Amino acid sequence: EVQLVESGGGLVQPGGSLRLSCAASGFTFSSYWMSWVRQAPGKGLEWVANIKQDGSEKYYVDSVKGRFTISRDNAKNSLYLQMNSLRAEDTAVYYCARVGGGCSGGSCYAPLDYWGQGTLVTVSS
Amino acid sequence: EIVLTQSPGTLSLSPGERATLSCRASQSVSSSYLAWYQQKPGQAPRLLIYGASSRATGIPDRFSGSGSGTDFTLTISRLEPEDFAVYYCQQYGSSPPSTFGQGTKVEIK
Repeated sequence: EVQLVESGGGLVQPGGSLRLSCAASGFTFSSYWMSWVRQAPGKGLEWVANIKQDGSEKYYVDSVKGRFTISRDNAKNSLYLQMNSLRAEDTAVYYCARVGGGCSGGSCYAPLDYWGQGTLVTVSS
Repeated sequence: EIVLTQSPGTLSLSPGERATLSCRASQSVSSSYLAWYQQKPGQAPRLLIYGASSRATGIPDRFSGSGSGTDFTLTISRLEPEDFAVYYCQQYGSSPPSTFGQGTKVEIK
């Protein structure tokens, strides 16, 4: 059974940093692109970042470029999101998700087929 | 960036009725790379439909997707109590890798 379990969320002050983790199990983690998607309270879904199987390609939504870094450790079956210079508008539930197929040059050809339960990040003073 | 507009914002229906949800793209979605997700309160989204019309694993056949180009539809043939939720469309074939619609809430009338 595919499982994705996020952790690391919490309350942080504006300008602060936080590192989210996602532990994957039930599939060959190193064979899949992975994503982070966020959802502000009461709002819709927003794709945040993608990372290739070997970590050699990474893509971000414009609003987090230069502040967030996606990474992975295939030996630990884990995905990460380092979030720096956090703003109030980054407040959201952050989900990790598996891309169900390939991607090329930033475009993916498969949907997000499995999602974690999410971890809440609150940016507030 | 492809903008997805879902309508209506809220759909009020009774169990057993048919639900028709619309997703319109600001430009053509390549190769019908369009997905639908269901989200219930406090839960993660669940993939229902991909490639505009293919059901994901374990999804009941009362859910169906159709459309191409810029106009896509999710149909729930007969609403079950567990189908009342928010539904999102997503395009995943263009750069940035994906964008979502704003969601349609299907509520009990």
